[in-house]
This record gives sequence, structure tokens and C-alpha cells, in this order.
Amino acid sequence: GDSVTQMEGPVTLSEEAFLTINCTYTATGYPSLFWYVQYPGEGLQLLLKATKADDKGSNKGFEATYRKETTSFHLEKGSVQVSDSAVYFCALSDTDTGNQFYFGTGTSLTVIP
Amino acid sequence: ETGVTQSPTHLIKTRGQQVTLRCSSQSGHNTVSWYQQALGQGPQFIFQYYREEENGRGNFPPRFSGLQFPNYSSELNVNALELDDSALYLCASSRGTSHSYNEQFFGPGTRLTVL
Repeated sequence: GDSVTQMEGPVTLSEEAFLTINCTYTATGYPSLFWYVQYPGEGLQLLLKATKADDKGSNKGFEATYRKETTSFHLEKGSVQVSDSAVYFCALSDTDTGNQFYFGTGTSLTVIP
Repeated sequence: ETGVTQSPTHLIKTRGQQVTLRCSSQSGHNTVSWYQQALGQGPQFIFQYYREEENGRGNFPPRFSGLQFPNYSSELNVNALELDDSALYLCASSRGTSHSYNEQFFGPGTRLTVL
């Protein structure tokens, strides 16, 4: 079945450091891929998305490229800020089950000044 | 444009009781999905409602049931509560049909504690 495997945390970085959070997926159809962010005490917010192979999603300095050959969708940011501290979830929506989202377990990021 | 709202914010129940959680979808959205997020885990899909009918279900027992109303708001009902039902319950609304990608907008969730 469909699934998402996410890099385990927690991750602690200094401000302005480079961030990578790894995400790989398994899907039976042609999935769309997403990164969601959850700030403390809040619901999930869509950070970025990619709907087909080789697409790059980007938002707020974050980027992720849909790599079909490696079934990956790694999240990157060149210079993190304290305000980026949150839990990040990789997710997929499969065309075979387009109504269902599969989420990874989440990666907690703490950025220290 | 009003976002997704959920009520109540927090809830404490005891084993064996029943609970109803509520969700108001974002304006213009006709699809509501419910997720269970256990502590330290990612959200797990419970089911989705599209135009008042169930449109897909995850691996949850029948004691998890739902409704969608003509205004597209939704309820999640859980009977015979168990300790493992303690979690954050998230509602997400979207626009469109099944079998197509539609961005889901999440509410803040209801924190359910079962004692």
C-alpha cells in the first residue's frame, strides 16, 4: 500500500544553517506530494506541493523536488530562521485513492539563535 | 473567507462513552476529511465525505462514524471509547470530486483525552 517514510527527528539547527529533511514514498499510482507544517498549538498548513515528476515546489524559502527515480521529495531550505521551528510532515495523495492523504510521522525542527 | 473550524477544542471522556466532534468546512468546499493524529505521529486518515456521502475510509473500526450536512459541515462520532482513541482529531476541507487532487485545508483540531 501507499506510504511515506520521513527522516526521524528531532532536528536542532542554528539560525542560518542549511536544512534538509528526507522523505521517500511508496505509491501504486501517480501521487501528488506535499509538505505540511504544524506550528505549536495549530493545525497543519500546506507548505508546498508538487503534482508530477520533476516538479519543484517552493514557498517561504523552502523547496522540494519530486524525484520519481528515487521516489523522494526531500525538503530543503538554505538558511533557517527561529520562526521555522515547527513539525514538518511529508504527505502524498495517490491518483488511485485521490481522496486519501498519507502522512509521514513528522520531523520536529528547532532553530536556535 | 472563513477557514476550517472545529469544536470543541478540548474534550475529556471516560472509556465506553461516546463522543461527537464537529467541523465547519471552508466556504465553497464540499468535501470533508477526518484524521486522527496520535501524539508524536502523523495524521491517519479516518474517512472522507463528499456531498453528504462517505467517499473513502481508512483502517478504522465501525465505531468511528460520520455525517456530512447539506451545508457541508461534518460530524465525527466515536462510540465505545477506548484509551487508544486519545488523540488530536483533525478535520480538513477541500473543493472538488473524488479521484483528483484537491488541496486540503486543515482546522486546528480537537484534542480528545480518554481516561
